[in-house]
Amino acid sequence: TAGITQAPTSQILAAGRSMTLRCTQDMRHNAMYWYRQDLGLGLRLIHYSNTAGTTGKGEVPDGYSVSRANTDDFPLTLASAVPSQTSVYFCASSEAGKLYEQYFGPGTRLTVT
Amino acid sequence: GENVEQHPSTLSVQEGDSAVIKCTYSDSASNYFPWYKQELGKRPQLIIDIRSNVGEKKDQRIAVTLNKTAKHFSLHITETQPEDSAVYFCAASTDSGYALNFGKGTSLLVTP
Repeated sequence: TAGITQAPTSQILAAGRSMTLRCTQDMRHNAMYWYRQDLGLGLRLIHYSNTAGTTGKGEVPDGYSVSRANTDDFPLTLASAVPSQTSVYFCASSEAGKLYEQYFGPGTRLTVT
Repeated sequence: GENVEQHPSTLSVQEGDSAVIKCTYSDSASNYFPWYKQELGKRPQLIIDIRSNVGEKKDQRIAVTLNKTAKHFSLHITETQPEDSAVYFCAASTDSGYALNFGKGTSLLVTP
């Protein structure tokens, strides 16, 4: 199985443009998460979804939106990118009731110029 | 909300020595304490976790300890090897929580 995948691997985006980061898992995990990782700041939660059809805001949700139309996919959209959104973005998933055991995707390195 | 602090931010040890990374948390309701390892350019991966009803857990060269009274937990790596070099993240969560609260990470360098 592929586990959890993300696309693209990296991207350079002009400020003001929109972009969707894709995340897909084939483990049938109920819960999915989006984090951003910045040097010295660790992993900060952007949005999460406990199950298909529901989403919630994390620690740093501003400027980002998510949807969870089905169990497998959890795309993250930047409507109008700004340079401060330059970061490495990780998608993760976990089984219901196993929040502590998260499986991370390979990450997307985004540079907003 | 939960606040997890992690120390030190960087740690350098010689191969064969032990390494200890410490974390404190603020929410007394937290009861899951996982540790993740992230090698350079790779994704974070769970290496060990401890529950609040256990004081210590070991897995080969890795051990975690938990002091619920003091609200701190630690990762101990013995007989360190160069492949232990990575960033380590501690985290805390509760049964009713929706997210892991991560510490800011410790960059461990093991020199031969």
